[in-house]
Amino acid sequence: DTEVTQTPKHLVMGMTNKKSLKCEQHMGHRAMYWYKQKAKKPPELMFVYSYEKLSINESVPSRFSPECPNSSLLNLHLHALQPEDSALYLCASSQARRSNTGELFFGEGSRLTVL
Amino acid sequence: AQSVTQLGSHVSVSEGALVLLRCNYSSSVPPYLFWYVQYPNQGLQLLLKYTSAATLVKGINGFEAEFKKSETSFHLTKPSAHMSDAAEYFCAVSTNTGGFKTIFGAGTRLFVKA
Repeated sequence: DTEVTQTPKHLVMGMTNKKSLKCEQHMGHRAMYWYKQKAKKPPELMFVYSYEKLSINESVPSRFSPECPNSSLLNLHLHALQPEDSALYLCASSQARRSNTGELFFGEGSRLTVL
Repeated sequence: AQSVTQLGSHVSVSEGALVLLRCNYSSSVPPYLFWYVQYPNQGLQLLLKYTSAATLVKGINGFEAEFKKSETSFHLTKPSAHMSDAAEYFCAVSTNTGGFKTIFGAGTRLFVKA
């Protein structure tokens, strides 16, 4: 069983819809991540939150809006997406202290289809 | 800048044969190196990690990897492949830049033949 829970597992949305992906972890990790993974490709980093503050934004289009309401939750708000945004969106968490190694704990992902 | 190169996008072995998945890294500082496995329609799971302790690292499911600084390599091996090892394998390197930035290799798909 994964300790990082993502909902929903599948999402189909139109280009004018607004939806959100949710991620929750209870391992006490203070770094949380959103990755995007296209078929047959490695995960691509989108955002990193460290101690609930956005620390890395990999030049992601503004139609993706992350939110970290508390140390256990991470959301990704979606608006006006394009069909090419269809992908598996992976949430991950890790320890945030400099003494740690950055081992990532992944959820099972939310598979998004944009029509 | 750090990077990871995985040699071979596909590797096919027979059940019971040696598994060898190759990974070379580029890093200006001592790296943290990882191997992750991804089964179909699932997230990634850590197999093993190198954190500057022992150069031979043992992981789950009988996998191990050896860190060779002189060759900038971190190849993944398993003495005897099992059908359940068929999956996508990613080598990765990380750096702490206010939250860890992990760079993944392109991945190697492992096929196991009966």
